[in-house]
Amino acid sequence: DTGVSQDPRHKITKRGQNVTFRCDPISEHNRLYWYRQTLGQGPEFLTYFQNEAQLEKSRLLSDRFSAERPKGSFSTLEIQRTEQGDSAMYLCASSPWGLASLSYNEQFFGPGTRLTVL
Amino acid sequence: AQTVTQSQPEMSVQEAETVTLSCTYDTSESNYYLFWYKQPPSRQMILVIRQEAYKQQNATENRFSVNFQKAAKSFSLKISDSQLGDTAMYFCAFMKQGNQGGKLIFGQGTELSVKP
Repeated sequence: DTGVSQDPRHKITKRGQNVTFRCDPISEHNRLYWYRQTLGQGPEFLTYFQNEAQLEKSRLLSDRFSAERPKGSFSTLEIQRTEQGDSAMYLCASSPWGLASLSYNEQFFGPGTRLTVL
Repeated sequence: AQTVTQSQPEMSVQEAETVTLSCTYDTSESNYYLFWYKQPPSRQMILVIRQEAYKQQNATENRFSVNFQKAAKSFSLKISDSQLGDTAMYFCAFMKQGNQGGKLIFGQGTELSVKP
């Protein structure tokens, strides 16, 4: 297993267009998280899944954002009608919540998708 | 709501010297975890060290150690024998314990430069 992967790595789009990002977690990990990181800031939580269930969404996640994890494996994050303020790095992480022998359930991060909205 | 504050936006250290990065947090939770993550330039985030709040002993991982002061809500990271590869953004993060936990709350980050 090569870790968490994200596709695409970079996306440039025009304002008003829709974009979709994909995250493939480590295969045995049941939790998957999405974060957004703007330049020079720490990541901010957006949403997370346990298997296919979306358990929490941040208030940062406006109605233009939707995330899915249909079969409890990969996840997609879609942004509709993109705005310039959506320009950021979108990070995905996964963890073996409750499954590993360790109690702290480390999150493993992917390389991120950098979105630029023109 | 939990908050994490890193008051040092940038720091630099000479190779082989020791540097300490500061982090404070605010929470009403009793049980939680604290983490330091490293994000090298153009590379993905990796875990450096973790601390369980119920443990009084400070965590240590090779050259990395923490000073966890629960009453003061302080969680600093000490890097000994700094190496050029330690150059990165360092983020302090908080996670609630229990089934409602899981999401990480990050600080703003400290950019560390290790100079030869």
